[in-house]
Amino acid sequence: DADVTQTPRNRITKTGKRIMLECSQTKGHDRMYWYRQDPGLGLRLIYYSFDVKDINKGEISDGYSVSRQAQAKFSLSLESAIPNQTALYFCATSDEGKGNQPQHFGDGTRLSIL
Amino acid sequence: GESVGLHLPTLSVQEGDNSIINCAYSNSASDYFIWYKQESGKGPQFIIDIRSNMDKRQGQRVTVLLNKTVKHLSLQIAATQPGDSAVYFCAEMGVNTGFQKLVFGTGTRLLVSP
Repeated sequence: DADVTQTPRNRITKTGKRIMLECSQTKGHDRMYWYRQDPGLGLRLIYYSFDVKDINKGEISDGYSVSRQAQAKFSLSLESAIPNQTALYFCATSDEGKGNQPQHFGDGTRLSIL
Repeated sequence: GESVGLHLPTLSVQEGDNSIINCAYSNSASDYFIWYKQESGKGPQFIIDIRSNMDKRQGQRVTVLLNKTVKHLSLQIAATQPGDSAVYFCAEMGVNTGFQKLVFGTGTRLLVSP
């Protein structure tokens, strides 16, 4: 979804480094999410935010932190990267509408930790 | 516990055929389901969704069927085209202490031959 932009698209780094992945959206959605995708495991939720002052842990938050700088921006940090954090990372947004709403994804960041 | 799975990891069809991709879910309390398409190097793209008060919903060339009795979801693609080649996965939204969390399946690869 071109309205959800992730940077960088690819990153190779070394164990122990601090890394920040950024996500910005022009959809005007309040809700933003970070997922990682590993082969055979599907998408797993790392953190989510329902508005600028709301941050919540997902199912696999250990080793990660996030910052919601504005409604349109949600960044994910790996404080000290380790090889098993090598994965595809996706940011998503959703609208706070009546009833459930679909999540819309960016094109991902491919992260390799050596 | 919640789980979403797919019966076939790879589905190969000829161009022009109809394709059916299946998904089983385990949480009878889930009330919202989404199908996503993911092409190589891209993020998941929303295709169609369905709420539990419906058993069928149609979009452009796609139909989603929901059978709550056997907890089964399917995606039908009419007149499949080479551009439909991608990984398709379903997602289930289950209630979890007020946050509607999406649970994703691992995906089925659809290969369309000209």
